[in-house]
Amino acid sequence: AQSVAQPEDQVNVAEGNPLTVKCTYSVSGNPYLFWYVQYPNRGLQFLLKYITGDNLVKGSYGFEAEFNKSQTSFHLKKPSALVSDSALYFCAVRDKPDSNYQLIWGAGTKLIIKP
Amino acid sequence: DADVTQTPRNRITKTGKRIMLECSQTKGHDRMYWYRQDPGLGLRLIYYSFDVKDINKGEISDGYSVSRQAQAKFSLSLESAIPNQTALYFCATSDPRTGDTGELFFGEGSRLTVL
Repeated sequence: AQSVAQPEDQVNVAEGNPLTVKCTYSVSGNPYLFWYVQYPNRGLQFLLKYITGDNLVKGSYGFEAEFNKSQTSFHLKKPSALVSDSALYFCAVRDKPDSNYQLIWGAGTKLIIKP
Repeated sequence: DADVTQTPRNRITKTGKRIMLECSQTKGHDRMYWYRQDPGLGLRLIYYSFDVKDINKGEISDGYSVSRQAQAKFSLSLESAIPNQTALYFCATSDPRTGDTGELFFGEGSRLTVL
């Protein structure tokens, strides 16, 4: 069965330090992978996606993510965290051959950046 | 103005009442979705529509119905609300030209509490 795991409910990082939000997935075919961010009292916003090609993808607000097929991971990273990065982050996967256009979502990781 | 607008933003109702959540969009997208967000569960798809005449059930459609009144409008109804339908509901759109590689555009959510 298709699934997405975000193993950390919460990640705490000091401002200026690098951050990583983890995501692992399980699909039967080649995955399409996405990261979204949700700021308090707002809807989700698209950050970046991996479809094919270069394993390192760059997205909005200085975020990037690395697709690792052997580890079935798609971790979100940023070299230097800002307090304004504090939000809820969701990883999602679509398994094209059997997706019926539906995304499978992780449970979300709350990122807290402390000044 | 927001591209994807949901009304109401907050609603408190009682068990057994009929509730309608409305979504309108100005993005010109044919594809529209209703999701439910519960803490620790991520997002789950309730219904989706690829055009005015196309309605499809998602993974948790029981207890819900939808109406696609126009390309720009997609409403979600709870015929007889129950407390476990208390959640944050999101409407989203996507551009069919991007197929299943494209991102979703979300409204700001409708928080529903069923007493």
